[in-house]
Amino acid sequence: GQQVMQIPQYQHVQEGEDFTTYCNSSTTLSNIQWYKQRPGGHPVFLIQLVKSGEVKKQKRLTFQFGEAKKNSSLHITATQTTDVGTYFCAGNTGGFKTIFGAGTRLFVKA
Amino acid sequence: EPEVTQTPSHQVTQMGQEVILRCVPISNHLYFYWYRQILGQKVEFLVSFYNNEISEKSEIFDDQFSVERPDGSNFTLKIRSTKLEDSAMYFCASCNNRGMSYNEQFFGPGTRLTVL
Repeated sequence: GQQVMQIPQYQHVQEGEDFTTYCNSSTTLSNIQWYKQRPGGHPVFLIQLVKSGEVKKQKRLTFQFGEAKKNSSLHITATQTTDVGTYFCAGNTGGFKTIFGAGTRLFVKA
Repeated sequence: EPEVTQTPSHQVTQMGQEVILRCVPISNHLYFYWYRQILGQKVEFLVSFYNNEISEKSEIFDDQFSVERPDGSNFTLKIRSTKLEDSAMYFCASCNNRGMSYNEQFFGPGTRLTVL
């Protein structure tokens, strides 16, 4: 069945350093979403990418969707302690089912 | 700001018992979902619901599971005979627009189910 892989599993950074998480799907996606989950919290929608090669920015966050619509990345510039949490990508192939990646847990040391 | 609510926040039950998890989606949303997350693991899709019927379900959502929208506001997940491996956080989510261009799902705070 469809799988969405995400790496790395964990990332420890010093505040101010950059952070990137990568997502790869076994099948072509119609769209990909990114969510953030704080420790003890619930997933919160960040963004959705739909077009091949799409790049979107939200302040210090940059999201990319690959040309083949099978991979995606999230890059955070100059991390802050408020960025801590787990970042999930979630892919959709056109139906109702959304497949989440395993998530990358970000730790930021002040 | 409107939000998805879930009750109870924590449910403890004995193996073999039935549980009903309740959700109130955002009022003008049309698409509803249940997910589960075993502690420390990824979020897993269980089922989606639209127009008063299941639109898609995963292999996890077997005959022990059922969903219902008994009135205009509540959306429930029933597990008929709980197993130890059903212990997880269960999230309800709702979405207003499932078009290709926009698919933001709003998640509730979750119900932590513990099966003893």
